[in-house]
Amino acid sequence: DAMVIQNPRYQVTQFGKPVTLSCSQTLNHNVMYWYQQKSSQAPKLLFHYYDKDFNNEADTPDNFQSRRPNTSFCFLDIRSPGLGDAAMYLCATSRGPGTSGYEQYFGPGTRLTVT
Amino acid sequence: GESVGLHLPTLSVQEGDNSIINCAYSNSASDYFIWYKQESGKGPQFIIDIRSNMDKRQGQRVTVLLNKTVKHLSLQIAATQPGDSAVYFCADTEAAGNKLTFGGGTRVLVKP
Repeated sequence: DAMVIQNPRYQVTQFGKPVTLSCSQTLNHNVMYWYQQKSSQAPKLLFHYYDKDFNNEADTPDNFQSRRPNTSFCFLDIRSPGLGDAAMYLCATSRGPGTSGYEQYFGPGTRLTVT
Repeated sequence: GESVGLHLPTLSVQEGDNSIINCAYSNSASDYFIWYKQESGKGPQFIIDIRSNMDKRQGQRVTVLLNKTVKHLSLQIAATQPGDSAVYFCADTEAAGNKLTFGGGTRVLVKP
């Protein structure tokens, strides 16, 4: 089945130790998104790629970076995780703008714990 | 949608009853609206969507109503079941937009 896959599902990292979360998709969608979601809150968009074009949200801290080496994969790098970065990180994809391109398909998320 | 802060409103409903979840959005240029269901520890799942040229759309046990005059969206779930217990988010975007604006979410608790 076509899907959005996130690895790992649970990640524990130490304060200040760089960590990378990964996302892959078999949907061949043009757009890939990274969201941060804290408890009892809506997902907060960090950035997205439209093909190779990177689009950062204005309030995303520099501590968060992303890479998209090809259509299928996208990575979230947290350079120096702080305790406040503990959250669920969601990857999503969409076809892109168009008559049927708005729906975003979400992965299961990676729960990040910072110790 | 509008993010309304850290406390999720909760709708408690008896199994078998109908549920109505409401959402306000702020962007009058929004063209597409979507409802997601998020179960604990999982990613959001698509439920139903609606375009701005419609005011009602029905799916299996779910109906979405759109009132553009007052910028209001609702999700009706018929014959609510225990498996419907989750957090529900509305989201909207403009035509040709890449990004969804999420509402704050409503937690639905189904009582047996």
